[in-house]
Amino acid sequence: EAQVTQNPRYLITVTGKKLTVTCSQNMNHEYMSWYRQDPGLGLRQIYYSMNVEVTDKGDVPEGYKVSRKEKRNFPLILESPSPNQTSLYFCASSLGRGNEQFFGPGTRLTVL
Amino acid sequence: QKEVEQNSGPLSVPEGAIASLNCTYSDRGSQSFFWYRQYSGKSPELIMSIYSNGDKEDGRFTAQLNKASQYVSLLIRDSQPSDSATYLCAVMGNYGQNFVFGPGTRLSVLP
Repeated sequence: EAQVTQNPRYLITVTGKKLTVTCSQNMNHEYMSWYRQDPGLGLRQIYYSMNVEVTDKGDVPEGYKVSRKEKRNFPLILESPSPNQTSLYFCASSLGRGNEQFFGPGTRLTVL
Repeated sequence: QKEVEQNSGPLSVPEGAIASLNCTYSDRGSQSFFWYRQYSGKSPELIMSIYSNGDKEDGRFTAQLNKASQYVSLLIRDSQPSDSATYLCAVMGNYGQNFVFGPGTRLSVLP
């Protein structure tokens, strides 16, 4: 089954404790991206990747890191999480940059 | 800063009616346009993509694009209670690489 998977689905952590949210797709897509969704602010793009080893900032990259060492994986790293990073996070992938994106199930992160 | 705007709603329509959702965007160079549906607590799912001016129909859904007016809309015919969700408009520019989503319009279809 073609899909985008994310882990974990739910995470509660404390300020400053480094964490990684994994994202994997099995569709051989080149384009992958991370979003956060907050009430009243909608979906905002954090980082995106055009292909392996090619990443770039979206609209809200501060406090996040990403890497794209393999085509299928695009982890999101929070080196020192803060409470304002409490949010619902979605990973998405698409065949290319102009194509429709397919979303993972989401990761609900709470930073205390 | 590219912007995508939508009426936040809620938009309420009776079952069987036509629901009309609108979206405007600021980047005149935008080339790719998408409508997503999102149920509460779930991930967005693609309804339609449109790339050229005019109408595109898929079942009960019709997307309309007018690049001169920087406007894209989604019509839902014969609305069903199961269509009750938030509808997100997404735009990708010609030169930029990132997607910009609108804030979404909440649709409520009343039985």
